[in-house]
Amino acid sequence: GEDVEQSLFLSVREGDSSVINCTYTDSSSTYLYWYKQEPGAGLQLLTYIFSNMDMKQDQRLTVLLNKKDKHLSLRIADTQTGDSAIYFCADRSDNTDKLIFGTGTRLQVFP
Amino acid sequence: GAVVSQHPSWVICKSGTSVKIECRSLDFQATTMFWYRQFPKQSLMLMATSNEGSKATYEQGVEKDKFLINHASLTLSTLTVTSAHPEDSSFYICSARDTGTAYNEQFFGPGTRLTVL
Repeated sequence: GEDVEQSLFLSVREGDSSVINCTYTDSSSTYLYWYKQEPGAGLQLLTYIFSNMDMKQDQRLTVLLNKKDKHLSLRIADTQTGDSAIYFCADRSDNTDKLIFGTGTRLQVFP
Repeated sequence: GAVVSQHPSWVICKSGTSVKIECRSLDFQATTMFWYRQFPKQSLMLMATSNEGSKATYEQGVEKDKFLINHASLTLSTLTVTSAHPEDSSFYICSARDTGTAYNEQFFGPGTRLTVL
């Protein structure tokens, strides 16, 4: 089946930029998503990118997509302590509405 | 954005009992809802796709007789964990697809934590 991988942990200082990376295997991916999950809570959609785009910027968030390498990244500018959470990337295939989630990256922001 | 609720937020039950979890789309109709399971510090794994008015589609390895799904209305899907055992303890999250959005976005509920003693 399709697979989505992420690094497990990222620790950054408050005010710095965070970059969370994701790789996927699906060749027929249409949309790629970034979700945020705070402890004990559900998932909050942060942003998404259509597969024919290279970049999308939304306030402090920048998504970069390298479709050739099947690599997706999320950059958070001016990271705040409130950004501490688990971040999941997810792949949605052209053929289905199913979302395949990555393993999640735990972002810790310290003062 | 659209809101999806789940009830209960958490439940503790004895081994052998059945537990029902509700997933509701509060301000939109959802012909399709999804049920996920999340183990501690792990990713979400899709269990089944719930279709209004028809049988759910289960992912490989998920026992349909163990996890009963009913999607009787356009705003409600239920997941019943039958004869629950400690290994069924997990965080269950539902999502509902809003076909009114440009890209059929899935909105997620806050999750239900099930603990089976």
